Amino acid sequence: SQQGEEDPQALSIQEGENATMNCSYKTSINNLQWYRQNSGRGLVHLILIRSNEREKHSGRLRVTLDTSKKSSSLLITASRAADTASYFCATQQTGGGNKLTFGTGTQLKVEL
Amino acid sequence: EPEVTQTPSHQVTQMGQEVILRCVPISNHLYFYWYRQILGQKVEFLVSFYNNEISEKSEIFDDQFSVERPDGSNFTLKIRSTKLEDSAMYFCASSAVQSSGNTIYFGEGSWLTVV
Repeated sequence: SQQGEEDPQALSIQEGENATMNCSYKTSINNLQWYRQNSGRGLVHLILIRSNEREKHSGRLRVTLDTSKKSSSLLITASRAADTASYFCATQQTGGGNKLTFGTGTQLKVEL
Repeated sequence: EPEVTQTPSHQVTQMGQEVILRCVPISNHLYFYWYRQILGQKVEFLVSFYNNEISEKSEIFDDQFSVERPDGSNFTLKIRSTKLEDSAMYFCASSAVQSSGNTIYFGEGSWLTVV
């Protein structure tokens, strides 16, 4: 089974709007992490949420985690053109050591 | 802010050649990783390394791959005899501790093109 599926696969919004991306996973996790990747570049860590947490904020980012539904969402408020990137969720599975299992990613385009 | 650095940023190699990708993890980190991302696909785990030995590896990490920490700062990934399907972006990563709150930091990646 695939761990980490984001939806939508692609999202196009206007600058100033909010962007919401969702991630679903299948196994029990220790934590879930969101990363941003600009085209052809490295993975930038955005936020980590532990399995016993339900919501976390960091600047314009808000992440929720629902372990009963095995899902997470990433909300970017007041989006900017510079937020244009791919966003990935990645899980550290319970009993799976430290490795991350990545989702398929959401390509976000923020237009002026 | 401390960061993971990788070299080279891009390497083109002929099929069958050996390649070494280099990484300098964040200095106080103890866990090191290699991941790869084939163009347009998911980021995939290759191997994790702790206390000078492999702690976990994926099915992708076969006998053609090896990792080494030759000194106190570098962490390398060697591909012994490259194949066309090894073409990908290879990411090095590191983390401080093993816990539920363990943030993993990634480098900028090394693009490997096998021709």
